[in-house]
Order: sequence, then structure tokens, then C-alpha cells
Amino acid sequence: KQEVTQIPAALSVPEGENLVLNCSFTDSAIYNLQWFRQDPGKGLTSLLLIQSSQREQTSGRLNASLDKSSGRSTLYIAASQPGDSATYLCAVNTGTASKLTFGTGTRLQVTL
Amino acid sequence: DTGVSQNPRHKITKRGQNVTFRCDPISEHNRLYWYRQTLGQGPEFLTYFQNEAQLEKSRLLSDRFSAERPKGSFSTLEIQRTEQGDSAMYLCASSFPRGPYNEQFFGPGTRLTVL
Repeated sequence: KQEVTQIPAALSVPEGENLVLNCSFTDSAIYNLQWFRQDPGKGLTSLLLIQSSQREQTSGRLNASLDKSSGRSTLYIAASQPGDSATYLCAVNTGTASKLTFGTGTRLQVTL
Repeated sequence: DTGVSQNPRHKITKRGQNVTFRCDPISEHNRLYWYRQTLGQGPEFLTYFQNEAQLEKSRLLSDRFSAERPKGSFSTLEIQRTEQGDSAMYLCASSFPRGPYNEQFFGPGTRLTVL
């Protein structure tokens, strides 16, 4: 059974810092991995998707990497801003059904 | 707005009542997923449809839960005889397998509170 773990559970950083969020998964036979953002009480916004054959994806200030063999992914956020404050969720897609298995998220607060 | 939509956004009900939620996927997306998210947890998979066919159901989906997707368009999730443990955010997502990497797009969710 696939299990996804995210560390840290919560993180507070001052504005402008670069930061890394970590995600690990137990079964390396994944189809792809998605990073999402969730604001309080809201739905999920897809940030980046990495195919199993890829090593990284970039979008603006966000960079996600994938090391499938070790079961790890990282989300790098450059020059953090208060608007980045949210919960960040990692999810892996295994099997043809493409259902996602989520971690419990990292709650990020960027302070002024 | 061409994103995934869900209605209602909030539902408060008394224990024992039945509730029904609706999800409208992105047009042309033939896969539709339901997830449930409780406070402080990540979403958990409930069930998924490809077109009108329900192809997989989680063990979380007890016999009080039923989902349909008539004609392969919108979907409904019904909970009968609600219990306080059903209080959660119910999220719907859709995807287009032939699109880039089968990326799933989520709706805003329906928050259910069972009193």
C-alpha cells in the first residue's frame, strides 16, 4: 500500500527566504507526482506535475524534483512571499486508475 | 469559468438525514474522481468514473455512500443516514487521460457538517 509522508508538517519563514518542502513515498512504482496548494477551507490548486521519467519541473519561482528510486520529491520555493502562505500537498499517482495518494501536507507561513 | 464546479459549497445537516452533492467536471474530461478530506489530513480517494462507468471504489465508501455519473457528464455523491463521522470536505477532480500526463484538476469542494 502506497504511503506518502511530508516533512515538515509546518514551517514559518520570513519573506524573501528560499525554502524546501519534502515528500517521500514508499512504493517507487509511480506514474507521476503532483504538488498542490490548498488555501484554508478551499479546494486544491495544481502547481506542478512530474512524470515518472522526469527529474524536475519548473514553474516561475517553483521547482519540483523527483528521485523515483529513493522515493523522494522536493518542492523548492524561491524568494518566498506572504502570498505563498498555504498548505502544500504532495500526491502520487500509481496504477492505471490514476487515483492519487496524498501526504498530510506542509503548512507554510511566510511572515513580513 | 471552465474549471471543476461543485454544489453546494457548504451543507449542514442533522444526523440521520440524506445529503447529495453534485460535481461538474471540466468539459471533455472523461475521468472523474471523488475524494474526502478531514481536518488536518490529506484527501483520501473514494471512487472514480471513466465516462459513466464506476471503475473503482475505496473501502472508505460504505454502503451508505453511492455515486453516479449518468451519461458521463456531471456526477452526484449521495450519503444516506449521515453520521457525525461523515463531516468532512468532499472534493471532486477530473482529468483527461490523453492530455498532458493525466493531470487531475480539483473543484472547490463541498464542506459537510453533520450535527
